[in-house]
Parts: sequence; C-alpha cells; structure tokens
Amino acid sequence: DAKTTQPTSMDCAEGRAANLPCNHSTISGNEYVYWYRQIHSQGPQYIIHGLKNNETNEMASLIITEDRKSSTLILPHATLRDTAVYYCIVDLNADSWGKLQFGAGTQVVVTP
Amino acid sequence: GAVVSQHPSWVICKSGTSVKIECRSLDFQATTMFWYRQFPKQSLMLMATSNEGSKATYEQGVEKDKFLINHASLTLSTLTVTSAHPEDSSFYICSAKLAGDGTQYFGPGTRLLVL
Repeated sequence: DAKTTQPTSMDCAEGRAANLPCNHSTISGNEYVYWYRQIHSQGPQYIIHGLKNNETNEMASLIITEDRKSSTLILPHATLRDTAVYYCIVDLNADSWGKLQFGAGTQVVVTP
Repeated sequence: GAVVSQHPSWVICKSGTSVKIECRSLDFQATTMFWYRQFPKQSLMLMATSNEGSKATYEQGVEKDKFLINHASLTLSTLTVTSAHPEDSSFYICSAKLAGDGTQYFGPGTRLLVL
C-alpha cells in the first residue's frame, strides 16, 4: 500500500493560489490519489481525486506527474475559509478498497 | 449531493453507560460505511468497516465487543460504545462510500465526552 509524504504546514496569502505537494513514490498502477481537507472540529471534506490525468472541479485542481510519483493540489484563489488540514491519500489495493489511511496531512493557514 | 449526517453531534455521559451514534447517508445509498476515531491533535484512525447486512470488519486493536456496529440498511449505520470510560472520549466520524465510485463522504462527527 502506497504511503504519502506531505509538508507539515504551509502559509498562504488570501487571494493567491495555494499549491500543496504530495509525494507517493510507491504508488501502484491501480491506485488513485485522493485529497480531503478537515476544518477544525469538523468531518473531512472530499476535494478531488485522480488516477493519471489532471483533474479540475469547482474546488481545486489536481496535477499528477507523468510517473505518478507525486501530485499537487491547487487551490486557485485561497480564502480564509480554506484554512484546514489537507490530506493526500492513496487508495489501497482492490482487496481493501476504500480503507482510507489518513496521515498527518498539511496544516494550511490562509492569512489576510 | 452525497451528504452524510451524524447524530448526535456531541454527547456527554457517565462512565459505564452506553452511547449510540447514528450515521446516515441522506441522498444516496451506501453499501459500505466506515467508522473513524480522532483524538486531539491526531489524525483520523479507521476503527471498522461496515457493510450492509453483514458483520463489521474491525481494525487491529479495536475491540468489537466494546464498539458495536450495526448496518441494517443502505442508509444507516450505528456505532454503540458500550460501557464507556473516560479513555473513550474522542471525536467519532463516519463515512459512506458512494456505490460505483470509490469516493468516501464524511459525516460532521460526534464528540463524545465520558465523565
């Protein structure tokens, strides 16, 4: 099961793009990259996921490198409400599909 | 869409009592639901996987007789903390997996305080 590595914390200025990196060098071919975030004292919120291609939705963009060993979550215009812990998670293999294993994540603080 | 609710949002109980937490998928059917626990300043830890109509699968180190899970319908799973003790005080979060899509959607969590 692939594990992920994320920076412990990041600061971002309000209105600017926030680029959150994630390394998953041992990812296997059938594993997806999921991003969730958790605002203090709330349940995690799904952001986006992808397999090989870059993905974009109303919340964020996900850029996955060609070798799939790393990815970047992009919040295009960070707001104060984007302050949260962001988790990059790689979906486990088919035998235990759906058992998301949360790491420590990246604490993102958006400042005015 | 894909909304998951939990009830209650917080509960305070005396040591030795049992507490039931409900997790509902409001606008979709979930064949699989998951229960997590989160202690302060720590990440989420998976406790068990709940499949509709079958027994839950517990993670290593989680006592199945203490944390009873029932998944009686495609929209409801319950977690009962039996004979709760202060060390069971935590933030309990459920998630539901959307059928045909691996994405999990999380509930808002239930904060349990055992006195």
